[in-house]
Amino acid sequence: EVRLVQSGAEVKKPGESLKLPCKASGYSFTNYWIGWVRQMPGKGLEWMGIIYPGDSDTRYSPSFQGQVTMSVDKSITTAYLGWNSLKASDTAMYYCARLGDGLGTPPDWGQGTTVTVSS
Amino acid sequence: NFMLTQPHSVSESPGKTVTISCTRSSGSIASNYVQWYQQRPGSAPTTVIYEDNQRPSGIPDRFSGSIDSSSNSASLTISGLKTEDEADYYCQSYDDSNVVFGGGTKLTVL
Repeated sequence: EVRLVQSGAEVKKPGESLKLPCKASGYSFTNYWIGWVRQMPGKGLEWMGIIYPGDSDTRYSPSFQGQVTMSVDKSITTAYLGWNSLKASDTAMYYCARLGDGLGTPPDWGQGTTVTVSS
Repeated sequence: NFMLTQPHSVSESPGKTVTISCTRSSGSIASNYVQWYQQRPGSAPTTVIYEDNQRPSGIPDRFSGSIDSSSNSASLTISGLKTEDEADYYCQSYDDSNVVFGGGTKLTVL
């Protein structure tokens, strides 16, 4: 069974750093792209970017380029989404998702992590 | 870059059939696979259709997907509507190495 397990809710202050994990299991971690999606309160899904764990090839959405950093640790099959300096506008739910491969494998989603940034 | 446009909301009665459209603004809808995600209130999205018309295991055959090159759009059809189908539905496709989401459609089953 494919599982993407994300961490619990985070409450941070503006200017603080944060790294959200997405622990993958049940499939070959290095062979599928992982994406990150933002959902601001009451809004739709926004694609932030994708990373290929096999070689860490990363593609950021233009809206998020320079604002976040995606990374992976293959040894523990975990992908990460990070910020160096959070802003109040980063308050949102963040989902990780394993993309499909176009060859019959459907996408799978994590359960999401809520991030609240407030002074 | 292209956009995917969905109706903001649709509503239908239990037992009926509803179709949600997703129109691609430029380039062919057939160029890249389309996925559909269901998001119930307070829950993470789940995949209901992938690769235009494939259902993941566990998704009932009341859910079906298709693409129409003449209207350059994809469609999600849900038959035999149940109250549990009430949710937001998002289409998604690809633009080179970028992912594109539709704005989402709120389905009300009343």
